[in-house]
Amino acid sequence: QVQLVQSGAEVKKSGASVKVSCKTSGYIFDNFGLNWVRQGPGHGLEWMGWVSAKSGDTNYTQKFQGRVTMTKDTATSTIYMELRDLKPSDTAVYYCARDRWVEGPRVAVPDFWGQGTLVTVSS
Amino acid sequence: SYELTQPPSVSVSPGQTARITCSGHLLSKKYVYWYQQKSGQAPVMVIYEDNKRPTGTPEKFSGSSSGAMASLIISGAQGEDEADYYCYSSDNNDDSWVFGGGTKLTVL
Repeated sequence: QVQLVQSGAEVKKSGASVKVSCKTSGYIFDNFGLNWVRQGPGHGLEWMGWVSAKSGDTNYTQKFQGRVTMTKDTATSTIYMELRDLKPSDTAVYYCARDRWVEGPRVAVPDFWGQGTLVTVSS
Repeated sequence: SYELTQPPSVSVSPGQTARITCSGHLLSKKYVYWYQQKSGQAPVMVIYEDNKRPTGTPEKFSGSSSGAMASLIISGAQGEDEADYYCYSSDNNDDSWVFGGGTKLTVL
């Protein structure tokens, strides 16, 4: 069965960086893109971007461009999301989520989700 | 940036039909997806491509889309359907994707 297991909670200071991992299993890693979605406390879902597990190509929402990097490690079927220059407003649960369809004309539609990683940023 | 607008809350009595709307000016051209998120859990897709149900989604959930508005309909809503519901769609070039603000469904 498809599983996405994320790294543990992080506590950071303003200005620092955080790198969250998402280890996948139960399917052919290269075939599906993956998304990062975050949710601030008491807030809604926010799509951050997408990474191709096949090519490593990325697509970031404009809000995070220049501050986020999404990467993949095929050897371990793991993706990573690094967010830099953290602010208290970045405090959120960060989810990785696999696409619904094999990479092709339809991407960036999350269907299988990790358990979430809480990142807390203090000033 | 593109935005999808949902009502913050919808309330129905048990057994009634709940309708949650999502408006966005590109919805006449782009598919909408719906996610259910229960407290403390990751989201779950309940509708894809406007009106299709993933395997495992109860038949009580249906979707529709017309013009700039999409709707998620929950027929015979029960307490277990209480959750936050989010619509999700893309911009013109599918370069950027966005969630609606979310709607809290209360069944009481």
